[in-house]
Amino acid sequence: NAGVMQNPRHLVRRRGQEARLRCSPMKGHSHVYWYRQLPEEGLKFMVYLQKENIIDESGMPKERFSAEFPKEGPSILRIQQVVRGDSAAYFCASSPPEGAWETQYFGPGTRLLVL
Amino acid sequence: AQSVTQLDSQVPVFEEAPVELRCNYSSSVSVYLFWYVQYPNQGLQLLLKYLSGSTLVKGINGFEAEFNKSQTSFHLRKPSVHISDTAEYFCAVSEAAAGNKLTFGGGTRVLVKP
Repeated sequence: NAGVMQNPRHLVRRRGQEARLRCSPMKGHSHVYWYRQLPEEGLKFMVYLQKENIIDESGMPKERFSAEFPKEGPSILRIQQVVRGDSAAYFCASSPPEGAWETQYFGPGTRLLVL
Repeated sequence: AQSVTQLDSQVPVFEEAPVELRCNYSSSVSVYLFWYVQYPNQGLQLLLKYLSGSTLVKGINGFEAEFNKSQTSFHLRKPSVHISDTAEYFCAVSEAAAGNKLTFGGGTRVLVKP
């Protein structure tokens, strides 16, 4: 049973470009969470999605950031017009719809560097 | 809203010595508590969790933690560390209900010395 997959693992963008981060949850998991880890800090919640629905986006910056989890395919975190302050590690986590729903399983992260 | 405080940002410890990582939280509702470990340039791996029941929780790799409701603490312990335990450790809480976000502490970096 493969774990949470994220790609790319490393992403370099210049200021003003777009960054697309992908997350494939564990098999059977329908809940996806995105977190951001700034250098030397803990993880901060960004958004919680279920298939085709955004459930909680209280941690998302108001501008330039968006997330989706379509019926088919991975969850996407999209950052438009990146700035240097967006440089961070972005982690995706997933949890099942029932059973151990309280436990989130993390992917390896995407490390975004904005030049 | 919840918050998590990890009182020690770095903990150096000698191999085979015990280690305790402190975690305090604040919340107005019932919470679930978690400890995760992060090895360099990797994702987070769940060490253990407290949902309900016995306040002493045993996890992987010989770690255990004790939930103390009166002190709002969830300290992590290991009686004898290995070099391979060098990593960053994160305490996290979530509301005791379905599909809730995790609130993380700032992390404690453990450096095990030979």
